[in-house]
Amino acid sequence: QVTLRESGPALVEPTQTLTLTCTFSGFSLSTSGMCVSWIRQPPGKALEWLARIDWDDDKYYSTSLKTRLTISKDTSKNQVVLTMTNMDPVDTATYYCARSIAARTSADYWGQGTLVTVSS
Amino acid sequence: DIQMTQSPSSLSASVGDRVTITCRASQSISTYLNWFQQKPGKAPRLLIYAASSLQSGVPSRFRGSGSGTDFTLTISSLQPEDFATYYCQQSYSTLWTFGQGTKVEIK
Repeated sequence: QVTLRESGPALVEPTQTLTLTCTFSGFSLSTSGMCVSWIRQPPGKALEWLARIDWDDDKYYSTSLKTRLTISKDTSKNQVVLTMTNMDPVDTATYYCARSIAARTSADYWGQGTLVTVSS
Repeated sequence: DIQMTQSPSSLSASVGDRVTITCRASQSISTYLNWFQQKPGKAPRLLIYAASSLQSGVPSRFRGSGSGTDFTLTISSLQPEDFATYYCQQSYSTLWTFGQGTKVEIK
């Protein structure tokens, strides 16, 4: 049974760095083809893909956000971590992590999401 | 980046109606097109992958079609549980992009 769960602060102040953790079970990121992505959704708005890390440690970032994002994995802990620097109120959103298998496939399992509010 | 454009942005329909949502890519993406359903407060749910393949557990009234730049999601007979927002997403590029969503509301 594949599950993913996001964790991190619910409230972040402007200019701070956000660190989110995706803890998963039911698959291993050391298995060939496995990938984990981060996707966010501002309240009432559309989904926005942020970043992806693959089983071989290849990493991909949104063009518009790549200077602010870092994705990493801890295979032994079954975790993927996303950091986003210089947070702004427009970054207020629900942040999801999701699994995909192999290149060019889609996200078949998602976490429940975690709402992050950026405010002073 | 590949842009994904959905239409309409919203629609009103009745139970039993046939509903069609379209998605257009800014360049050819072959059949690397996926459809998601999202209900309020919930994570998106994968319905269709590779343009026309039904994800396990998804009712057969959902059908996807298309290739290249133009794609369609059809719900053959709308059910009460289908009122939700639908998103297309391309996985042709390693940099995924989503459409802006289509909200299906009750008429």
